[in-house]
Amino acid sequence: EPEVTQTPSHQVTQMGQEVILRCVPISNHLYFYWYRQILGQKVEFLVSFYNNEISEKSEIFDDQFSVERPDGSNFTLKIRSTKLEDSAMYFCASRPTSGGMGTQYFGPGTRLTVL
Amino acid sequence: SQKIEQNSEALNIQEGKTATLTCNYTNYSPAYLQWYRQDPGRGPVFLLLIRENEKEKRKERLKVTFDTTLKQSLFHITASQPADSATYLCALPTGGGNKLTFGTGTQLKVEL
Repeated sequence: EPEVTQTPSHQVTQMGQEVILRCVPISNHLYFYWYRQILGQKVEFLVSFYNNEISEKSEIFDDQFSVERPDGSNFTLKIRSTKLEDSAMYFCASRPTSGGMGTQYFGPGTRLTVL
Repeated sequence: SQKIEQNSEALNIQEGKTATLTCNYTNYSPAYLQWYRQDPGRGPVFLLLIRENEKEKRKERLKVTFDTTLKQSLFHITASQPADSATYLCALPTGGGNKLTFGTGTQLKVEL
């Protein structure tokens, strides 16, 4: 069964450094998402991406964040200058173009630790 | 503002019993509602989707109900097993349906 994959599984970085989190969505999906989950808190929407552009973003997704689909398979989230409060699990998700009424399929996540 | 509430207290039940989890929402009229399972340190896994015109949906030992008047969904696991122990998340489409807003989740522990 096709799965969303994410790398790395765990990323440790120093405050102020740039990080890139990578995702490979399910191959025939065209809607892509990033969510995050701070330890002990709920899953929160960051950004959605369709047709090579951002379709919606939350207030968390400020100028320090960017997303890119550099080729036909990868979907990346970049944080330019990490802060302590960016420490969280980051989940990528994808959705088919039709059917499934918005069912999103999540990857296993990247645990980001900012020191 | 829109709110999604799930029991924040953990639910402990005995193996073989039926677990019932609740999701309440306010200030919203979703076209559908979804339930996900999340294990520690892992991503949410889709379980069931129920549309606003459906009262009940079943999948194996899982049953979901959706009451749009009460603004509530109930999630049932019958004949529960220790392997069902996890956090269960309720999610609603928001922002025109393009994104999901999740509840805080209810942790279920099934004991032998």
